[in-house]
Amino acid sequence: DAKTTQPPSMDCAEGRAANLPCNHSTISGNEYVYWYRQIHSQGPQYIIHGLKNNETNEMASLIITEDRKSSTLILPHATLRDTAVYYCIVRVYSNDYKLSFGAGTTVTVRA
Amino acid sequence: EPEVTQTPSHQVTQMGQEVILRCVPISNHLYFYWYRQILGQKVEFLVSFYNNEISEKSEIFDDQFSVERPDGSNFTLKIRSTKLEDSAMYFCASSAGQSSYEQYFGPGTRLTVT
Repeated sequence: DAKTTQPPSMDCAEGRAANLPCNHSTISGNEYVYWYRQIHSQGPQYIIHGLKNNETNEMASLIITEDRKSSTLILPHATLRDTAVYYCIVRVYSNDYKLSFGAGTTVTVRA
Repeated sequence: EPEVTQTPSHQVTQMGQEVILRCVPISNHLYFYWYRQILGQKVEFLVSFYNNEISEKSEIFDDQFSVERPDGSNFTLKIRSTKLEDSAMYFCASSAGQSSYEQYFGPGTRLTVT
């Protein structure tokens, strides 16, 4: 699996958009970008994933650069409940079962 | 909304004892997983299970670990002879398919080996 690089921590103001960067410069053509988060030692929670097009769901938006070497997760209106560790994971599309978690980005949303 | 459940939420055991951690995956899911997280460390993959057999396992998943789907609803992780270093949160997950499908995680079982 391609390695990802994320900043260790970031702060965000409540009600503002949170933009979480992820670098995956060695990503292969058959690897998806996934985002999960973990709120205070709870089980990880799926947020969104994509291959090369931008994606949006009820939780977040995922912007993937044209060369696919980096991506940004956008939480449009951060709330205190969004305080968590956010993981960017790249994963082969086929014949791949595991998720390989790194250290992630600890996001703290402040009132 | 369907969810993955795990029991017990906290298990305390003595070194050398056997423990069984239980999980009930989401009912129409076909792929099942165990992960663990030692306090302050990363979430680590242990094993995946599909069609009543292990499909992938990590180096951590050695002979002291085993998994089983004893009936149509439960998925278990057994640790035969626990060690102090097995103390961790153990997360069960399930998915409807492999790779492109998201995995849904349970709340975890905190295992403390004394």
